Amino acid sequence: QQQVKQSPQSLIVQKGGISIINCAYENTAFDYFPWYQQFPGKGPALLIAIRPDVSEKKEGRFTISFNKSAKQFSLHIMDSQPGDSATYFCAAVNYGGATNKLIFGTGTLLAVQP
Amino acid sequence: GAGVSQSPRYKVAKRGQDVALRCDPISGHVSLFWYQQALGQGPEFLTYFQNEAQLDKSGLPSDRFFAERPEGSVSTLKIQRTQQEDSAVYLCASSLGGTYNEQFFGPGTRLTVL
Repeated sequence: QQQVKQSPQSLIVQKGGISIINCAYENTAFDYFPWYQQFPGKGPALLIAIRPDVSEKKEGRFTISFNKSAKQFSLHIMDSQPGDSATYFCAAVNYGGATNKLIFGTGTLLAVQP
Repeated sequence: GAGVSQSPRYKVAKRGQDVALRCDPISGHVSLFWYQQALGQGPEFLTYFQNEAQLDKSGLPSDRFFAERPEGSVSTLKIQRTQQEDSAVYLCASSLGGTYNEQFFGPGTRLTVL
């Protein structure tokens, strides 16, 4: 059972455009939603994260929008740059559980064309 | 300071061989996680340590997989009698533990079973 669903699988955006990646979750016990960026040959690195008591969080060009009632959240990358080309994973954590394990989505391969 | 390191970075094994993958977490991090990332997929949780105690091994796919962290720092993931389906990148992550503390990932070990 896939607990975090992510779309699209791949995305091509022109330089300066907006990249949007969407995720949906099922388990209402999740209480932390991070986004990770992964470059080839590297481990995932935390990009930005949000808690469910907040509807939006912005850090530089990256914004998370969170809809608790719909159990959906999305990542917006403004003014996308070629250096943003990477795979992006949404994730969810249940800190009330026994293990603070990350439950990842399937990933979105972003290509920003110059 | 140094991040999470993993060795070897690449491992090729013949089917049936045993392998050992090492993780050196960030100094002082009490929590250590192992994840398995199949090609084109998101990482999937394998096991979790808090100091030397293995508190969750629910993600280990079979009894051929074994992990240890005897002194609460370095961890080893061992796979016995490797199978082709074990081919994946094995990621290690560490954190300070507690709530909302970031998990820092190592670069992973790419295991190929022939």
